[in-house]
Amino acid sequence: AQSVAQPEDQVNVAEGNPLTVKCTYSVSGNPYLFWYVQYPNRGLQFLLKYITGDNLVKGSYGFEAEFNKSQTSFHLKKPSALVSDSALYFCAVRDNRDDKIIFGKGTRLHILP
Amino acid sequence: GAGVSQSPSNKVTEKGKDVELRCDPISGHTALYWYRQSLGQGLEFLIYFQGNSAPDKSGLPSDRFSAERTGGSVSTLTIQRTQQEDSAVYLCASSGLAGVVFEQFFGPGTRLTVL
Repeated sequence: AQSVAQPEDQVNVAEGNPLTVKCTYSVSGNPYLFWYVQYPNRGLQFLLKYITGDNLVKGSYGFEAEFNKSQTSFHLKKPSALVSDSALYFCAVRDNRDDKIIFGKGTRLHILP
Repeated sequence: GAGVSQSPSNKVTEKGKDVELRCDPISGHTALYWYRQSLGQGLEFLIYFQGNSAPDKSGLPSDRFSAERTGGSVSTLTIQRTQQEDSAVYLCASSGLAGVVFEQFFGPGTRLTVL
């Protein structure tokens, strides 16, 4: 069965600094990986996904994520954080042998002005 | 086009009552998922439907929970004999064709409060 771990409940970053939100996964087959964001009082929005190909994936709002097969990680990154990036971020994984998508517990990102 | 819709947006019920939560997926999407979001618990997978295949019910927490999907479209999640620990936001998501890896589109959720 697949699983996802987001080791940090909360990440604090000063505005303008680079940010990283960590995610590691476990699957039996090949992984399909996703990042979603949930702004306060709003639904989950898709940010980006990794299916195959280039390990660096670019997504919405300037975010990117790097797939690292040897470390089974898919960390979310942004070169320069904005206060408006403050939100709850979820990593998700799907095993290529299954259609079920499992989410991590989420990481709350605080960007400090 | 219209996104995923869920109803009701809020539901307050008394312990022991049954509730039904409805999800209307995006037209044409074959996959439909139910998740539960509790404070500090992230998104908990409940059940997954794909086309006419048997649903994956592996995430349902107890036999008080059940779901059905009629005509490959609308889905209803039913919780019988509700308990206070069932209080959460119930999210529905849909995605595209089987065998193609699409991202999920989420509805706004139903906030369930069991008194």
